Amino acid sequence: QSVLTQPPSMSGAPGQRVTISCTGSSSNIGAGFDVHWYQHLPETAPKLLVHGNNNRPSGVPDRFSGSKSGTSASLAIAGLQAEDEADYYCQSYDSSLSGYVFGTGTKVTVL
Amino acid sequence: QAQLVQSGAAVREPGASVKISCKASGYSFTSQYVHWVRQAPGQGLYWMGFVNPFTGGPKYARKYQDRLSITRDTSTSTVYVELSSLRSEDTAVYFCARRYCSRSPCVPGGDAFDIWGQGTMVTVS
Repeated sequence: QSVLTQPPSMSGAPGQRVTISCTGSSSNIGAGFDVHWYQHLPETAPKLLVHGNNNRPSGVPDRFSGSKSGTSASLAIAGLQAEDEADYYCQSYDSSLSGYVFGTGTKVTVL
Repeated sequence: QAQLVQSGAAVREPGASVKISCKASGYSFTSQYVHWVRQAPGQGLYWMGFVNPFTGGPKYARKYQDRLSITRDTSTSTVYVELSSLRSEDTAVYFCARRYCSRSPCVPGGDAFDIWGQGTMVTVS
């Protein structure tokens, strides 16, 4: 059972905007720990999309953006494209567990 | 460029142990922690622990504290994860991943994972 909760699935038509939430608590996101986001395609390794709440590694399109407020964070995908169909995970650190934690994951479907 | 290459798939019987390797190249091996993450079939990602390649010091998730060992060999730039007392629930894909520090200097609890191995399937049956 993860301490970071995400919606199991989201969908959108090409060109639309999708926002994935990541809800934590006072021992992780609310404690000030950074949130990072990953895209995971089947049979591949996860890919870092956003680090430090709102920073994109080089090569990641600016259609992907992250934000954080209070005990939650979110990943927005603007201008949805077919290749964005994947699983998305948030990740942070939890002081109560004394370890890193991933969100429950969100499957994004492009209609 | 930086990469992590893992050992191949393994099949073990319940109660046995498995040891997976993760060989780093293209960067200074001792400069970044290497983490291990696993994904059971149909489930999400789960963090297992990491090793500091410079000191060899590990940190484990509480769930695996008593049967997990993460070590490194600086002469070959390789990190190993060994999980003992295997049960069917340990059937999963295991990934190694390099620490990325979003802030400079790195802060405890601030690790992201920027370079990932290709994954190693472990089947316990």
